[in-house]
Amino acid sequence: ETGVTQSPTHLIKTRGQQVTLRCSSQSGHNTVSWYQQALGQGPQFIFQYYREEENGRGNFPPRFSGLQFPNYSSELNVNALELDDSALYLCASSLGPDSYNSPLHFGNGTRLTVT
Amino acid sequence: QKEVEQNSGPLSVPEGAIASLNCTYSDRGSQSFFWYRQYSGKSPELIMFIYSNGDKEDGRFTAQLNKASQYVSLLIRDSQPSDSATYLCAVGDRDDKIIFGKGTRLHILP
Repeated sequence: ETGVTQSPTHLIKTRGQQVTLRCSSQSGHNTVSWYQQALGQGPQFIFQYYREEENGRGNFPPRFSGLQFPNYSSELNVNALELDDSALYLCASSLGPDSYNSPLHFGNGTRLTVT
Repeated sequence: QKEVEQNSGPLSVPEGAIASLNCTYSDRGSQSFFWYRQYSGKSPELIMFIYSNGDKEDGRFTAQLNKASQYVSLLIRDSQPSDSATYLCAVGDRDDKIIFGKGTRLHILP
């Protein structure tokens, strides 16, 4: 069984730039959720994708966008980067559209630093 | 705004003792409850999940849920130094998916 993999592991960007983070879900899982975790905080829900459609969104601006592909892998795109976007970005996969009832399985995360 | 509240700690517990971690949530309609462990610099890993009132045991871990009091707890028996980590409480509902608390730092004293 293949777990959740994320790339890259670390990334440094300049304010105003754009970034794309990638995630491959655990085999058999069709739902992908993205979270942002600032230092010393809990993960904050960005959005979720189920079968290539956005299936829920947290309180993040539109410059945070995503995609899910037919193989259930996913991308998180952030435009016009701000210093406060510096955080650990976590991808998690789960099974089914009612994923609030399904445990999340996290990847190792991407550490984004915006300077 | 729905909230999940945890004491940030640190909670210091002697090795071999019982560690008790607590969490409260604001939305009475919440349906699923999770505990994750997160080591420094690592991603969260699932410890327990519980959906019904009462206790659920898995090895040294017991999750307790009281929906009337909107309260969920995690007990760790025979605490080990390797249990030192941040423990995240997470609550799921149909509208907001899974929402996390800020976590409680647990330190097991050798």
